[in-house]
Amino acid sequence: QSALAQPASVSGSPGQSITMSCTGSASDIGSYDRVSWYQQHPGKAPKLLIYEVTKRPSGVSHRFSASKSGNTASLTISGLQAEDEADYYCCSYAGTSTSVFGTGTTVTVL
Amino acid sequence: QITLRESGPALLKPTQTLTLTCTFSGFSLNTRGMCVGWIRQPPGKALEWLGRIDWDDEKYYTASLKPRLTLSKDSSRNLVVLTMTNMDPVDTATYYCARTQDGSGANQAFDVWGQGAVVTVSS
Repeated sequence: QSALAQPASVSGSPGQSITMSCTGSASDIGSYDRVSWYQQHPGKAPKLLIYEVTKRPSGVSHRFSASKSGNTASLTISGLQAEDEADYYCCSYAGTSTSVFGTGTTVTVL
Repeated sequence: QITLRESGPALLKPTQTLTLTCTFSGFSLNTRGMCVGWIRQPPGKALEWLGRIDWDDEKYYTASLKPRLTLSKDSSRNLVVLTMTNMDPVDTATYYCARTQDGSGANQAFDVWGQGAVVTVSS
């Protein structure tokens, strides 16, 4: 199972919106609405931001939103803040009870 | 409150076997749909899904590591054990356990993570 492809880095100024992509295949993202997104600050464990493509867990800011089209999922951060500077990973269910993570995107707040 | 915590050796020599324990609280692996997954992250690199063990004792592994990986659980003691044989320096990573669910809750997502166990493989 190949890792989902994410851009290595995305940057934006405070207050702006940024979007990052997560490209998989018909075997994972394209077949299941089981895409999740995680935020990871340096030295910390990942934190769940989005599950089932668009759903936010309780306590996650509404500034985080996500979508999916075909084999590609996307995460948007609105009103970018300094605390959003982190690594972001997508993950998709890939059938037969397996999952696959993305290559990760580093978000820089300019 | 749901918590998970990984424990195990910090340093291994090549060819040795890694045994990591994930001790959890706040949920039961006897509950239908509950699962615990393992994910690792080499230094400076991406997350990698390793495997998952389910409430019904079904186990699933990433294909590339399946010959070396074994997951087991003791639901009465709220723990899951990961065993990886024939460790190599390329297996140096932070190993995480995380809760996930099958068919309910945050379906197939890892909603609560342990703090991670740093494992170094070096001669």
